[in-house]
This record gives sequence, structure tokens and C-alpha cells, in this order.
Amino acid sequence: DGGITQSPKYLFRKEGQNVTLSCEQNLNHDAMYWYRQDPGQGLRLIYYSQIVNDFQKGDIAEGYSVSREKKESFPLTVTSAQKNPTAFYLCASNWGDQSNQPQHFGDGTRLSIL
Amino acid sequence: DAKTTQPTSMDCAEGRAANLPCNHSTISGNEYVYWYRQIHSQGPQYIIHGLKNNETNEMASLIITEDRKSSTLILPHATLRDTAVYYCIVSYRSNDYKLSFGAGTTVTVRA
Repeated sequence: DGGITQSPKYLFRKEGQNVTLSCEQNLNHDAMYWYRQDPGQGLRLIYYSQIVNDFQKGDIAEGYSVSREKKESFPLTVTSAQKNPTAFYLCASNWGDQSNQPQHFGDGTRLSIL
Repeated sequence: DAKTTQPTSMDCAEGRAANLPCNHSTISGNEYVYWYRQIHSQGPQYIIHGLKNNETNEMASLIITEDRKSSTLILPHATLRDTAVYYCIVSYRSNDYKLSFGAGTTVTVRA
């Protein structure tokens, strides 16, 4: 069954610690995206990648880093520089900028600070 | 980027059609209109999208006005499971089809 898998579903971070959120897709999509959602608000774009080994900053990239070494994987690292990391993180994918086809989303990772 | 305006909330009776409006008065000719919904604590679910013509799929219908300045998402027979936040988004190729989510419309379907 094709789709996007995010793990873990819940994650707790200590102050000053980096954490990495996993996102894997088996849809053979070229593009992948990371969004952040705060309570009662819409999604905001953190980073996106249109092709392997390339990625661009979104609207709120500060305090985050990504890599795209494989087509199916786009992990997000929340660094200690991100002062307010508690949020719901969503990963998405689609065919990329050659298509208007919709983004498909995973079920999210909820990150909290201990 | 074209911005969208949606009502904050609306109620709908179960079994009736739900009509969700969206204004995008500054939309340009190459911008698509997308609709997503998000059920609490889940990832957004794609519903439908269109450019100029009306569109229909198994979930909903999208009606775009001739001047493209507004659109309506129609859920033909709302069920309790359609209770969600609905997002109307415009996006275009030269912006990498990035999606910009506003606060959306909270739709509550009542029995």
C-alpha cells in the first residue's frame, strides 16, 4: 500500500538536544516537504526538496535542517537553535514542480519539550 | 501570491449538501485552486483541485466562478465523518506549487 510514513508519532526533546524526525514515502514522488503546525493554526512550510541532493528553505527554516540523500527519504532535524519546537510536524510529497498534482501527507509527528 | 478568504466556521446537517465558499480575488491565470481537509490530529487530506473548469470526484465538487475570483466546495451528502477543518489554497508552477495554508473553515456536521 503506497503512502507516506512518519515516525515516531510522538517525540519528546530535552532542552538543548537535537532530534530527527523521519519521513519515508513509497509513492516514487520526486518532491518532499516539511510543515509545522501550531495549535489552531494552518501549516507553515519549513523546507522542501524537488530532487535528491537538493532542497530549499521554506518560510520558517531557522532552527531546522534537512537532507535528501535518497528519493524516498527526507528526514528533518530540529536543532537546539529552534527555541520553540513544540508543534505538530507534517511531511508531504508529490511529483514536484513539473506537475500541479496534489501533495499527499503523512500522519504527523507531535514533538514536545520535556 | 494570491491569498484566500474563508469563513471561520460553519455548521451543516447530516445528509444535506455542505457548500464551502472561498474568495481568491487576486488569483492569476496560472494559479490552481486546491482544497484539503484536516481531521483533528491527522495529516491534511487532499479533496480536489481545479484551474478554470468545474471539477467533480468521488469526494466533492468544485465550482469556480467564471472570473475565477471565488470558488465553492460542495460535499453532496455530508456525514459526521466530514467534520474537519477545510482549507482553500491557491498555488502555481513558478512558485513550485508550494501550498500556503491559512486558518481554514471549521465545518461541524450535526446529526
